[in-house]
Amino acid sequence: KNEVEQSPQNLTAQEGEFITINCSYSVGISALHWLQQHPGGGIVSLFMLSSGKKKHGRLIATINIQEKHSSLHITASHPRDSAVYICAVLGGATNKLIFGTGTLLAVQP
Amino acid sequence: GAGVSQSPSNKVTEKGKDVELRCDPISGHTALYWYRQRLGQGLEFLIYFQGNSAPDKSGLPSDRFSAERTGESVSTLTIQRTQQEDSAVYLCASSLNGFSYNEQFFGPGTRLTVL
Repeated sequence: KNEVEQSPQNLTAQEGEFITINCSYSVGISALHWLQQHPGGGIVSLFMLSSGKKKHGRLIATINIQEKHSSLHITASHPRDSAVYICAVLGGATNKLIFGTGTLLAVQP
Repeated sequence: GAGVSQSPSNKVTEKGKDVELRCDPISGHTALYWYRQRLGQGLEFLIYFQGNSAPDKSGLPSDRFSAERTGESVSTLTIQRTQQEDSAVYLCASSLNGFSYNEQFFGPGTRLTVL
């Protein structure tokens, strides 16, 4: 069993839909990252959070430390949001990121 | 400002050859990380530098892999006697320091293909 699990693995949505991607982890962490990776492109960090909720534009990330769960929400989705979204956690005693396998999102116009 | 840069962007090599991959972190970032993403798989940690020291090399898959960092700046990942299973995108990231609350900034990656 992976230490970081994401769901769904694949997601297809229509433009304008509200999207949720989930991340569960089994290790103690000091922080959690949500990353975005476009096809053939590099990785962009969307959020880093250790508690509560963060919002940036149409993106919202929440984390529940007690339940070891985080969600990434995209409101009013757009085709340009199509990418792989990766959840990654920083183990409490280390500095290395442990990655989920990613969620491939396709937003259709 | 300049982000993390990596070179080359693409590298094709023959099995058994040695390759060097370079990472230039954001100026002033003391922490540097190497990750690998094999086709169809998730990202995996390789090595972490704090300054010029590597306190965590636990992700290096074999002794064919080594990395160094000089001047608390550029880092080189060397793969000796490359194998086909080494084909992957190698990503470098840097952060202000090694504390967990600092965001990691990723480079564009080097796509390595071993024929």
